[in-house]
Amino acid sequence: QSVLTQPPSASGTPGQRVTISCSGSSSNIGSNTVNWFQQLPGTAPKLLIYTNNQRPSGVPDRFSGSKSGTSASLAISGLQSEDEAAYHCAAWDDSLDGPVFGGGTKLTVL
Amino acid sequence: QVQLVESGGGVVQPGRSLRLSCAASGFTFSNYAMHWVRQAPGKGLEWVALILDDGSNKFYADSVKGRFTISRDNSQNTLYLQMNSLRAEDTAIYYCARDQTGDGGLDVWGQGTTVTVSS
Repeated sequence: QSVLTQPPSASGTPGQRVTISCSGSSSNIGSNTVNWFQQLPGTAPKLLIYTNNQRPSGVPDRFSGSKSGTSASLAISGLQSEDEAAYHCAAWDDSLDGPVFGGGTKLTVL
Repeated sequence: QVQLVESGGGVVQPGRSLRLSCAASGFTFSNYAMHWVRQAPGKGLEWVALILDDGSNKFYADSVKGRFTISRDNSQNTLYLQMNSLRAEDTAIYYCARDQTGDGGLDVWGQGTTVTVSS
């Protein structure tokens, strides 16, 4: 059972906008920033969004993150077939002195 | 280029030990906190352990506390994970990752090494 809660699956058609939610508590999302990772099948995770809404160099601006209270969300606009992957949210947890992750959301591009 | 390469995984019997290594290159290793993160088959990511840049402080997930030890050799640009008293539930791909932001913004990941605990 993961500390952060994500929907197990999401889907959309090419060009559509999809959002993935991530719910936590006061000890993690409520008091710390949120990071998002993209994991293509059979590969290591890749940092997609850090500090709630910052994109590392090379990440398209189709990807955006937001946070409110103890929840966060990842939005992907102009969905493309290569976006088909698992997306994981994470946040530092003050009670653990380490990051906690969501269970991951598998995005399918129909 | 910036790179992390894990090694040391394998098949091990319950109760035995294994040591994982993570070789860093392309960046100043001693400037960064480092993590181990694992992923059980078909499951999400689970944080395992963290060591600060100078090795002065270490933190562990409750699931591995007292059994796993994280360490680093900054002179050799290498991160380690000593895993003792292994259990079936420790079966996973183990990734090492660099912490860019200091609060879990893991911007560089290795390719992972697979640990299977089975009799």
